[in-house]
Amino acid sequence: GESVGLHLPTLSVQEGDNSIINCAYSNSASDYFIWYKQESGKGPQFIIDIRSNMDKRQGQRVTVLLNKTVKHLSLQIAATQPGDSAVYFCAENIPGGTSYGKLTFGQGTILTVHP
Amino acid sequence: DAGITQSPRHKVTETGTPVTLRCHQTENHRYMYWYRQDPGHGLRLIHYSYGVKDTDKGEVSDGYSVSRSKTEDFLLTLESATSSQTSVYFCAISRTGYNTEAFFGQGTRLTVV
Repeated sequence: GESVGLHLPTLSVQEGDNSIINCAYSNSASDYFIWYKQESGKGPQFIIDIRSNMDKRQGQRVTVLLNKTVKHLSLQIAATQPGDSAVYFCAENIPGGTSYGKLTFGQGTILTVHP
Repeated sequence: DAGITQSPRHKVTETGTPVTLRCHQTENHRYMYWYRQDPGHGLRLIHYSYGVKDTDKGEVSDGYSVSRSKTEDFLLTLESATSSQTSVYFCAISRTGYNTEAFFGQGTRLTVV
């Protein structure tokens, strides 16, 4: 799910299908990851997070999988609905020298759900 | 939605003028952030604050300054706006500065002409 220039990756699914959105993160030292959803004209909305000592975490209709070996993160949305249509971002927390870690965002993937 | 209010929501300004964007929170969170969002670049951190009067630079801080005199308010100032600062600006807050989610405001669309 990384973008090239101005063109974000896109994923089109039918309502009711399961969706999988992928993200390759940049830093092997990253220890915390977040998925955000952003609808048009709105700010990013927190969906789910996962720490690096976990491989999988489930929420309501969403599951995040973390593969540290290949620095890959995925977001699975079950029974996708038209209201899930949005841009989805992954973010990684890169440990810093202070108490603040640096949150770095991916470019995003556009999910379109067709009724 | 987390209690975050950004003002103004939209602004058009001329090159060379100063501009201040305001972020107000009602969550009493310690950490506050300013990001800009541009096509092809995603969200990039401009400045952040880890307490009243405690601020630090992010990855794209040139041309921006911030101030935080109260827990609830975080101001972003463009000292002399340039066209390259045309963007959508988001404020975010978090309870702690590490390994915790950040909650975002609705954004301010700034156009510098």
